Amino acid sequence: SQQGEEDPQALSIQEGENATMNCSYKTSINNLQWYRQNSGRGLVHLILIRSNEREKHSGRLRVTLDTSKKSSSLLITASRAADTASYFCATDAWLGNKLVFGAGTILRVKS
Amino acid sequence: EPEVTQTPSHQVTQMGQEVILRCVPISNHLYFYWYRQILGQKVEFLVSFYNNEISEKSEIFDDQFSVERPDGSNFTLKIRSTKLEDSAMYFCASSLVVFEQYFGPGTRLTVT
Repeated sequence: SQQGEEDPQALSIQEGENATMNCSYKTSINNLQWYRQNSGRGLVHLILIRSNEREKHSGRLRVTLDTSKKSSSLLITASRAADTASYFCATDAWLGNKLVFGAGTILRVKS
Repeated sequence: EPEVTQTPSHQVTQMGQEVILRCVPISNHLYFYWYRQILGQKVEFLVSFYNNEISEKSEIFDDQFSVERPDGSNFTLKIRSTKLEDSAMYFCASSLVVFEQYFGPGTRLTVT
C-alpha cells in the first residue's frame, strides 16, 4: 500500500535558517500534498504537486517531486518561529479518493 | 474564506456510550471524509462519502461506525459503542475534487 514517510522525524533550527523535510512513498500517486498541523490543532493545506510536476513554489515554500525515487521534499526558506509545527505529506492514488499521510516531521524554529 | 467546521471541539464519553461527531463541510463541496489521528500517530483515513453513500472505507471503519448526511449541510460520524482505543482526534474534510481536501479543526474524543 502507498505510504508517505517523512524524515527527519524532528528538526530544530534557528529563525532565519532554511528547513528541509523529506517524504517517501511506495506506490504510484496522482498527487502529493503537504499539510501543517500546529500542536493539537487541525490540518492546514500548504501545497499540492501533481505527479507530472517536478517543482512548485508558494511564497517561502518550495516542493519538489521525484517520481522515479518516489520522494518529495518541502523546503521552507527564511524560517520563522511561527513555522513551528508538524508537517505531513499526503498522497492520493489514481483510483480511490483517500489521502494517505506520513508520520510527519516536527519542526521547531527557535527565535 | 469558507471553511470546514466541526463540533464539539472536545467530547468526553464513557466506554460503551454512543457519540456523534458533527461536521459542516464547505457548502459547494461534493466529497466528504472522516480521518482520525491517535495522539502522536499518523492521520488515518476512515471513510469517504459521495452522492449520499460511502465510496470508500478503511479497515478501521467497522460496524461500530456509521456516517450520515442528514440534511444539506451536516455530515456526521457516529460511533455506536465507544472503546478506549477510539480516543483520538477526528477530522472531517470535504472537497470539490477528490484530492483537494480541506480539513476541519478536529474533535478530540476522549473515552474513559
